[in-house]
Amino acid sequence: EIVLTQSPGTLSLSPGERATLSCRASQSVSSDSLMWYQQKPGQAPRLLIYGATSRATGIPDRFSGSGSGTDFTLTISRLEPEDFAVYYCQHYGTSAGVTFGPGTKVDVK
Amino acid sequence: QVQLQESGPGLVKPSETLSLTCTLSGGSIISFYWNWIRQPAGRGLEWIGRIYPSGNTFYNPSLKSRLIMSLDASKNQVSLKLNSVTAADTAVYYCATGDHDLDHWGQGTLVTVSA
Repeated sequence: EIVLTQSPGTLSLSPGERATLSCRASQSVSSDSLMWYQQKPGQAPRLLIYGATSRATGIPDRFSGSGSGTDFTLTISRLEPEDFAVYYCQHYGTSAGVTFGPGTKVDVK
Repeated sequence: QVQLQESGPGLVKPSETLSLTCTLSGGSIISFYWNWIRQPAGRGLEWIGRIYPSGNTFYNPSLKSRLIMSLDASKNQVSLKLNSVTAADTAVYYCATGDHDLDHWGQGTLVTVSA
């Protein structure tokens, strides 16, 4: 079973700053199976990145994903006010199904 | 435009069965893989399981013994039943479509387990 660890737990930044969020898998995973979501209070999660690097429909290009193997990164190049939220990474595996990381909260410094 | 809407009782008694429905508009239910995810207040996301257009299912092993998912193409609905609930099953329950990635989500429905 793949376990996803996200760091940091909370990231305190100011609008306009760069955010770098980490997701580490307990064993090597296919990049095709690594996703990132954004969740704002009271809302459902929204798919941001699929296949580790591809932006979902309508997602601004300030969001980018990178990584391979066990280490993946979500980068927000310049934080907009609407980007302060919780971010989850997610893996799909044929044996365990869908697994989410614990999340990283990006809040205002 | 694909839209999903969860519905069902907001309050379930301990030991009883939680029953939820997800209704699709803007598409055909047999065009998607259907997932259920839940989120306790202030906590992270937990995948409950999925049902395929064929009716085959893939459940989270930790919940498998208490779960039944089904789909009704005539109503464009998928259903979730979770039996023998406890307070630990209190959460917002979401339905979502997708295989590797979950690209469309309902708004979620809060289910509280309490006497």
